Amino acid sequence: NFMLTQPHSVSESPGKTVTFSCTRSSGSIASNYVQWYQQRPGSAPTTVIYEDNQRPSGVPGRFSGSIDGSSNSASLTISGLKTEDEADYYCQSYDSSNQWVFGGGTKLTVL
Amino acid sequence: QVQLQESGPGLVKPSETLSLTCTVSGGSISSYYWSWIRQPPGKGLEWIGYIYYSGSTNYNPSLKSRVTISVDTSKNQFSLKLSSVTAADTAVYYCARINNYYMDVWGKGTTVTVSS
Repeated sequence: NFMLTQPHSVSESPGKTVTFSCTRSSGSIASNYVQWYQQRPGSAPTTVIYEDNQRPSGVPGRFSGSIDGSSNSASLTISGLKTEDEADYYCQSYDSSNQWVFGGGTKLTVL
Repeated sequence: QVQLQESGPGLVKPSETLSLTCTVSGGSISSYYWSWIRQPPGKGLEWIGYIYYSGSTNYNPSLKSRVTISVDTSKNQFSLKLSSVTAADTAVYYCARINNYYMDVWGKGTTVTVSS
């Protein structure tokens, strides 16, 4: 099986742009879609990006996703940071056997 | 709008079987995959497995020997059974709908504590 590695925490100021990484340990990042979930304290996760770079309806355009084959990683970028963006963010993907994997999550602090 | 609600005992004794049900309202359980995910206290998300409405399943290899996910289309419900539980199985358990390759609808989660 593979792993998805995320930085433990990131801090940034309101109005700035932040980018989270999610690195796949084996297998190509481009072979299977990557999703990103936001989880605010005490709440269930919600999807902010699916299929690498698609935003569900209702998710602001400030959220964007991408993949980079050279580093075998996916990224979530949030621009124009707001205090309400403070949350944990998890990447998720799967393999050819449809085994689903979550990254360990990144805690975003908006100072 | 589809909503999911987990239900089941909040306390399970070690070595016993954890049983949870997810009730789907506002839509049909048919034509979708449905998943269970858990989150131990202070930790990240762990995928447990999923089931198609027709009954085919796929489980996390680390839990496969202890997990059974089933579906009851007549009740618009799907269920999770996890056997031989230990304290390490203490977690918030979420059910979710899979839409293509992502979980687009989540339940609010239910806390299960394993303790004697």
